[in-house]
Amino acid sequence: DIQMTQSPSSLSASVGDRVTITCRASQGIRNSLAWFQQKPGKAPKSLIYAASTLQSGVPSKFSGSGSGTDFTLTIGSLQPDDFATYYCQQYSSYPLTFGGGTKVEI
Amino acid sequence: EVQLVESGGDLVQPGRSLRLSCAASGFNFGVYAMSWVRQVPGKGLEWVSTISWNSLRTYYADSVKGRFSISRDNAKNSLYLQMNSLRPEDTALYYCAKGADIAEAYMDVWGKGTTVTVSS
Repeated sequence: DIQMTQSPSSLSASVGDRVTITCRASQGIRNSLAWFQQKPGKAPKSLIYAASTLQSGVPSKFSGSGSGTDFTLTIGSLQPDDFATYYCQQYSSYPLTFGGGTKVEI
Repeated sequence: EVQLVESGGDLVQPGRSLRLSCAASGFNFGVYAMSWVRQVPGKGLEWVSTISWNSLRTYYADSVKGRFSISRDNAKNSLYLQMNSLRPEDTALYYCAKGADIAEAYMDVWGKGTTVTVSS
């Protein structure tokens, strides 16, 4: 199974900050990586797929990069609505696996 | 508007069975793979199962293999998860998710979930 390791598990930031979350796969997954945002009491929302392609309707302040085993999600200029938990997920092979999540707090 | 609505969650005793349903609307259900993902309250996301558009391929997490069965009825725009021999560790919020055009295992739309509690 491919293990997905996210870091940090949580971070504190301020409105206007730029933050970066990393995700590492235990083996190469090409660019078969997605990022999701989840707010308390809500379902996950897809942000990015294919490591760097923005899902339709997602603002451009979200960006993703990486290939192989190392990936990053960057959120430019944090706004109150961006404080949430973010998950990476590999869809290169089954079983599908998620990272442990990164909680972005004020 | 693409919509997924899960139902069937309940409080059940260990060892019993439960069937979850997911009603899809707003897209051509019959051409997309579908998945179930679960989440223990306060914890992370765990993939459970995926079924191909034509039901020919099914995949399961090791934690549910042999106990859960995924199926679909394209004529009814519905996805199902038959859960047998339930255990307390199956307690979670279960999400239905739609596979994407670019890859069946990328889940681009999610329902709001249905809660399963396994307890005596």
